[in-house]
Amino acid sequence: GAGVSQSPRYKVAKRGQDVALRCDPISGHVSLFWYQQALGQGPEFLTYFQNEAQLDKSGLPSDRFFAERPEGSVSTLKIQRTQQEDSAVYLCASSLALGLAGVHEQYFGPGTRLTVT
Amino acid sequence: GENVEQHPSTLSVQEGDSAVIKCTYSDSASNYFPWYKQELGKRPQLIIDIRSNVGEKKDQRIAVTLNKTAKHFSLHITETQPEDSAVYFCAASRGGTSYGKLTFGQGTILTVHP
Repeated sequence: GAGVSQSPRYKVAKRGQDVALRCDPISGHVSLFWYQQALGQGPEFLTYFQNEAQLDKSGLPSDRFFAERPEGSVSTLKIQRTQQEDSAVYLCASSLALGLAGVHEQYFGPGTRLTVT
Repeated sequence: GENVEQHPSTLSVQEGDSAVIKCTYSDSASNYFPWYKQELGKRPQLIIDIRSNVGEKKDQRIAVTLNKTAKHFSLHITETQPEDSAVYFCAASRGGTSYGKLTFGQGTILTVHP
């Protein structure tokens, strides 16, 4: 079936602009994660949704970052007043809900490369 | 929180040789350890994973070992091929209030020379 998709794949923003990044998870996946990957680094956790509920936003670097998943499927990561340090690849991942078997595999989207000039 | 250290940062081998990448983690409650392969400009792809109730898992040329006591786990690739060249990331996670979020290592750039 279809994997995780993200759009746009590339985004160039001028410093101070707002951006919105979209994630379409695998159908039926309850859990959705956002990660930020700086150049040459491993992905770092930003936020987690279980259905429409945002249960963990401890990784969001500032109050300029906001995420939502209003219907428990598509998610949007919004960055307000972008800064140069926001330049990175933003990855979305989805997985089945946590269950008695424990943590489920996460499947990643292709990412959105954000460049702030 | 969890901290994952990965070594080496770069690894260069000849085709047919074996490659080993090692990771250590800090949170003894972590119970799920996946490995991802990421080619340049592509998404991370899950290649193998291991849970804390298992000491070793193998899938064709790839194997992972876990030592819970020492809090380290390793990826072993045998009979390497040029198409194995990529960045490899280890990660650790647990359920509960961590919800399965992944903490990644810094990555290993593997180059397989023909």
